[in-house]
Amino acid sequence: EAGVAQSPRYKIIEKRQSVAFWCNPISGHATLYWYQQILGQGPKLLIQFQNNGVVDDSQLPKDRFSAERLKGVDSTLKIQPAKLEDSAVYLCASSPQQETQYFGPGTRLLVL
Amino acid sequence: GENVEQHPSTLSVQEGDSAVIKCTYSDSASNYFPWYKQELGKRPQLIIDIRSNVGEKKDQRIAVTLNKTAKHFSLHITETQPEDSAVYFCAASYGGSARQLTFGSGTQLTVLP
Repeated sequence: EAGVAQSPRYKIIEKRQSVAFWCNPISGHATLYWYQQILGQGPKLLIQFQNNGVVDDSQLPKDRFSAERLKGVDSTLKIQPAKLEDSAVYLCASSPQQETQYFGPGTRLLVL
Repeated sequence: GENVEQHPSTLSVQEGDSAVIKCTYSDSASNYFPWYKQELGKRPQLIIDIRSNVGEKKDQRIAVTLNKTAKHFSLHITETQPEDSAVYFCAASYGGSARQLTFGSGTQLTVLP
């Protein structure tokens, strides 16, 4: 079965610019997660979707980050405006019925 | 919320030796504990997991043990090989049906040939 797909794989932007990441989960997986992984740290959950509804976005910096999963399949994560401290790898994961999470390859963001 | 601590942060072993990585968690309600392996520049991949109704689980050279009373769990890798070199993350899930993972800070394992 195909894995979780993410694009772009790399992105370099200047601070205060906007950026968007895309995720296509494994077919049939109802739950989708976005994580931020800062270099040398474990992934930190930003937002969790169940189908097209938000389950938890308590750790999402809502003043600059937004995410949506309109049709319950693909998802986008946006940062506007970006700050230097947003430099990280953004990982998308999906799971069937909230069990094992399968990760995508991530988008490596560098904010200059 | 849940807090997961992982030790050591770096671990070097000789090929063929065993490696042990330990994690502690804070929320006694956590009931699912996966371990992920992440090679440089690649995605985290699940290598083994354990649920709170089980004390130990083994898969070939990898085993995980869970002590619910002490709230800690460990990853054991026997007969280590150079391809085991990677960063290993433990995680614990909380939140009832939400199944949200809290990750440890990771252990860089280096297997020396």
